[in-house]
Order: sequence, then C-alpha cells, then structure tokens
Amino acid sequence: DQQVKQNSPSLSVQEGRISILNCDYTNSMFDYFLWYKKYPAEGPTFLISISSIKDKNEDGRFTVFLNKSAKHLSLHIVPSQPGDSAVYFCAASAQGAQKLVFGQGTRLTINP
Amino acid sequence: DTAVSQTPKYLVTQMGNDKSIKCEQNLGHDTMYWYKQDSKKFLKIMFSYNNKELIINETVPNRFSPKSPDKAHLNLHINSLELGDSAVYFCASSLTRGHSNEKLFFGSGTQLSVL
Repeated sequence: DQQVKQNSPSLSVQEGRISILNCDYTNSMFDYFLWYKKYPAEGPTFLISISSIKDKNEDGRFTVFLNKSAKHLSLHIVPSQPGDSAVYFCAASAQGAQKLVFGQGTRLTINP
Repeated sequence: DTAVSQTPKYLVTQMGNDKSIKCEQNLGHDTMYWYKQDSKKFLKIMFSYNNKELIINETVPNRFSPKSPDKAHLNLHINSLELGDSAVYFCASSLTRGHSNEKLFFGSGTQLSVL
C-alpha cells in the first residue's frame, strides 16, 4: 500500500525548458510535503517543501504546487539546467507521525 | 567533513551471513534513521532513534537489529542474510524527533548484495 506515488519513472527535457515532476498521495492526514534530489552514488538531499496550508511555494527556479482536493503535487523547474539531471523523490509526512513517506522517484534528464 | 557518513559503501556477502552497516552524523542531530530502498525504488523507513531511544520500528524482521551507542551513531546489524535483503540502505538524521516539517539529511547509502 504505497501512500505516495510518482507514476513517471523518467522524464527527459531540453535545457532551458520547463520540467514538471508529478506526485500523488492517498493519505489525507499528510500535512507537509517535500522534494528531495538524488545524484548517483549520493544520498537524497532536500530541495523544497510545502505545508498543506499553502498551495504554492517558490525558491528560485523551483516551485512546488499542491492541490489538496486532488491529492496531487508537482515540482516545476524553470529554466531546466544540465545540473538538474537527477532522481527526484516526493515525500510526505503527517503530524505526529515522525517519519517521511517517500515515492519511488522520477529520473529527470536534461538534454543540451 | 561529511555530515552523515555510512560504511561500507558496498557490501557483497553470502546468504546466511551476519553483517553490519555503520552510520555516524556530525550535525549534532538528535534523531537518526535507517531507510531501505527496495527493488521498486521506494525509500521505506525501517527504524528511527531519538537520543539512543527507539522511536519507530516499522515491522522489520527480527533479523535486523539497530544499535545506537550514542546519539551520533546508529548501526544496523543483519543476521542470517537472505536474498530479499539485497537493497540500498540509507542512514539519515534530523535535528529533533522528525516533526512533519523537518528535513532529513542522508548518508550516501550502502548497496547490499546477498548472493
């Protein structure tokens, strides 16, 4: 029973264009959502997060959108750069749960 | 000066053996975790410790035993290794007890292959 799903295992985008990574969740108790970025042979690193009381959070080239009614969030990267090529994990947590639930990741490749 | 370091990076062993993975964090964090990335690529929590106290034990077989000698270290010992234990194991830490808005800091992972 996977509560967080990233249904696109991979995504290829041209440099300079927008990358959109999607994530769906099933647990309505989740109140905080995070995106992590992972390079090969490294651990995931925190990228950006959003609280359930917001529907958008922006940090430079990265914006996360949350649609609570659809239980869906997305990460927008614009403009995409070659260094953005990595695996992106969506994660969620519920108040008091003291743990993150991760999706299975989407491999983003930025083509020059 | 790696923040969360785990060793070894690769571990190849035979079925039935016992092995350990070590993890250390120098961030001064109170909580440490073990996550397993399975064959379907999901990262799933196994254990968390807060100041040497077990907080989360996520229905992991008894063959897996975490040990936290102090809050900067969380080791994972696995007895009687099975083929299905092959995975990448990540250690992580967070500043406090993993409240919902806390970031995790991960080690670079240990790729375990059981033959």
